[in-house]
Amino acid sequence: AQKITQTQPGMFVQEKEAVTLDCTYDTSDPSYGLFWYKQPSSGEMIFLIYQGSYDQQNATEGRYSLNFQKARKSANLVISASQLGDSAMYFCAMREVHNNDMRFGAGTRLTVKP
Amino acid sequence: GAGVSQSPSNKVTEKGKDVELRCDPISGHTALYWYRQSLGQGLEFLIYFQGNSAPDKSGLPSDRFSAERTGGSVSTLTIQRTQQEDSAVYLCASESGQQETQYFGPGTRLLVL
Repeated sequence: AQKITQTQPGMFVQEKEAVTLDCTYDTSDPSYGLFWYKQPSSGEMIFLIYQGSYDQQNATEGRYSLNFQKARKSANLVISASQLGDSAMYFCAMREVHNNDMRFGAGTRLTVKP
Repeated sequence: GAGVSQSPSNKVTEKGKDVELRCDPISGHTALYWYRQSLGQGLEFLIYFQGNSAPDKSGLPSDRFSAERTGGSVSTLTIQRTQQEDSAVYLCASESGQQETQYFGPGTRLLVL
């Protein structure tokens, strides 16, 4: 069963603007972690940000923040002040405490326009 | 460097041949994962090693795929009798403990002709 859904195959944003990448998930486990990774054209997976299911506050890391809405099971990534170097694929992932595997969404390709 | 390394970076093989892909995790990381990423797709979990425990092989797509981790460090993913549909990027990741962040290697791009 699909556990992670990223509904935006592609997104465009103007340089210096903010952009939100959507992610919804499905789990019955009360304890889980949510991750966002960036994959540039070079192919490496770069960890961006983590949110635990019991964290009371939204995670932030520099220009990245995670809009965590637990009741709606959504974990959207917000990138502020977009830069040309932000152009890449972005993957949302989830791992339940009782599972070893991390489930990834299909990804969103972000293009930052000058 | 201190990151996860994988070799080879690229591998071209003929259908029916066996291939071995290598992963060197970050020193001290107890957990190691293998994923497969087909062109334009997300990541597909293959196998998970944690310390000396039996590996979780639930993601391996067929019995042609196997993996081992020697001495709790280096891991080798073996694909026997390769098929064209095995063509993908194979990514390895390691983490320092359970439920921690995974750090990925650069991947091995496998092309089966």
